[in-house]
Amino acid sequence: ETGVTQTPRHLVMGMTNKKSLKCEQHLGHNAMYWYKQSAKKPLELMFVYSLEERVENNSVPSRFSPECPNSSHLFLHLHTLQPEDSALYLCASSQARVSYEQYFGPGTRLTVT
Amino acid sequence: KNQVEQSPQSLIILEGKNCTLQCNYTVSPFSNLRWYKQDTGRGPVSLTIMTFSENTKSNGRYTATLDADTKQSSLHITASQLSDSASYICVVSGVAGNNRKLIWGLGTSLAVNP
Repeated sequence: ETGVTQTPRHLVMGMTNKKSLKCEQHLGHNAMYWYKQSAKKPLELMFVYSLEERVENNSVPSRFSPECPNSSHLFLHLHTLQPEDSALYLCASSQARVSYEQYFGPGTRLTVT
Repeated sequence: KNQVEQSPQSLIILEGKNCTLQCNYTVSPFSNLRWYKQDTGRGPVSLTIMTFSENTKSNGRYTATLDADTKQSSLHITASQLSDSASYICVVSGVAGNNRKLIWGLGTSLAVNP
């Protein structure tokens, strides 16, 4: 275990549903990340939070809404998703932003029908 | 455009054999290079991190090399085991202004067969 947990591990949702992904880190880190991993594409950074403040948003559609209530928890709220949003969503944390080693959770496999 | 290219795309070897995975990058300026192992259905796990001044770094049966002049890195796996079957991803950290960016490769899918 890496010290980063994600729930649920698998999620199937319709295009009109609203769901949330949860990430929790037990490493005492102060930066957290959401990544999207699609087949035959490199990991795509979606959001970065440092000290609970969003510091990066890489042109992600508004149907993805992150929330970081404290340094240990990170959420990704989903609504009106498209089939092309089906992917593995990975959460990561690090001691500080980017230049430090990132520890990943197991991911949530999302299927949008 | 900053890029990280890995080869081969996929590889099949027999248990006990050695193999070498390649990573070429064009990221500049360069900060560090990392190799991650990702098992199917899991998140990536870091194997090594190297700065520009480091030529080689080992982690058990994994040895990474870095040539910052030619912008090439390799990951050598010795005496492969079935548990080495995974995707191996090269990640290069560059600098853009005050921000550091991670540029991810597509990975090499390794299958170790008995």
